[in-house]
Amino acid sequence: DQQVKQNSPSLSVQEGRISILNCDYTNSMFDYFLWYKKYPAEGPTFLISISSIKDKNEDGRFTVFLNKSAKHLSLHIVPSQPGDSAVYFCAASEYNNNDMRFGAGTRLTVKP
Amino acid sequence: DSGVTQTPKHLITATGQRVTLRCSPRSGDLSVYWYQQSLDQGLQFLIQYYNGEERAKGNILERFSAQQFPDLHSELNLSSLELGDSALYFCASSVSGVPDSPLHFGNGTRLTVT
Repeated sequence: DQQVKQNSPSLSVQEGRISILNCDYTNSMFDYFLWYKKYPAEGPTFLISISSIKDKNEDGRFTVFLNKSAKHLSLHIVPSQPGDSAVYFCAASEYNNNDMRFGAGTRLTVKP
Repeated sequence: DSGVTQTPKHLITATGQRVTLRCSPRSGDLSVYWYQQSLDQGLQFLIQYYNGEERAKGNILERFSAQQFPDLHSELNLSSLELGDSALYFCASSVSGVPDSPLHFGNGTRLTVT
């Protein structure tokens, strides 16, 4: 079952503009959320995370927003850079369960 | 470089065969996770080990098994291979193995079953 969903398989934005990647989840027990970035021929790398007690976490150009009532989180990248072009995975876990669930990923292309 | 090493990088084998994928976790990490990524799919959690013991199990087929050795490296064994087992298999490690500990991924092993 797909407990974590990324409904947009791809997104294209212009360099310097904002990229917004979305993720929805169905399991209300999830209490920790992460974003990973993946370049071709490499494994995913951790980008940013947020716990369920917060609604926003910021790290440089990357900000993750969590809306628990809507079971929705988003990753904002501003300004977007060509080097941000990659596949972005949303992941979620619950504290009493160690299997981290991943979405199918969104391929972001930032055009110069 | 994540510090997680997976071997081999590529593996081509025939249906019905058995293969072993190997993972060396990042230095100091006690927990190892295995994930499967089929074409255009997300990462499917297979299994997790912590300090040699199985901690969590996901959608792992009975034909698949894994173990973590005393030196903390891990092996994923896939047997009676089917065409549908063709996928990218990722190993990841973390320090503590608790859910809020980010995972560090290897570059994966691409398995092709013909």
